[in-house]
Amino acid sequence: TQLLEQSPQFLSIQEGENLTVYCNSSSVFSSLQWYRQEPGEGPVLLVTVVTGGEVKKLKRLTFQFGDARKDSSLHITAAQPGDTGLYLCAGGYGNKLVFGAGTILRVKS
Amino acid sequence: DAGVIQSPRHEVTEMGQEVTLRCKPISGHNSLFWYRQTMMRGLELLIYFNNNVPIDDSGMPEDRFSAKMPNASFSTLKIQPSEPRDSAVYFCASSLEVGYEQYFGPGTRLTVT
Repeated sequence: TQLLEQSPQFLSIQEGENLTVYCNSSSVFSSLQWYRQEPGEGPVLLVTVVTGGEVKKLKRLTFQFGDARKDSSLHITAAQPGDTGLYLCAGGYGNKLVFGAGTILRVKS
Repeated sequence: DAGVIQSPRHEVTEMGQEVTLRCKPISGHNSLFWYRQTMMRGLELLIYFNNNVPIDDSGMPEDRFSAKMPNASFSTLKIQPSEPRDSAVYFCASSLEVGYEQYFGPGTRLTVT
């Protein structure tokens, strides 16, 4: 079984703070995706990383794939209330995606 | 462009009843996935299709669950008979091909009483 562990499970911060969430596994993945899910909606893809050590930036969000392709991090700079949501990482395994349990982020204004 | 469309958005039914969830993937996408999301187990893959053919149904929990994809623009997930433990949000997702990025629908919240 391919498992992805996300930490922390829950994060509550003030607007303007920086944060990092982590996605770790003992398995190697061909790719790793990050999604954000808001209440009552489906997950929305933020980014896909495929190369070990790869770093991608999406405005205030920075995504990194570990050198060994077993872990990833998502860093948000100057968080805003609109960043509130459930952040899910998903590892590509064959033709399927394996999802972590997610990090619930709450940004207070 | 229209995204993945799911219906109904909410379904409340009594134990023992048949439930059918529907999905219309993004036009041109060849792969379709059914997921179930609960607080306890997170997001789990139930089954996926490629070119309308079921490829992997190892995530389907029991024989009570079945899925079909009669054509490239429509899929159903059926639960018969339904049980309270089936209560969850069911998502459909599609992608251009297997291994490509997946796009999720808004989900169907199923409550079985």
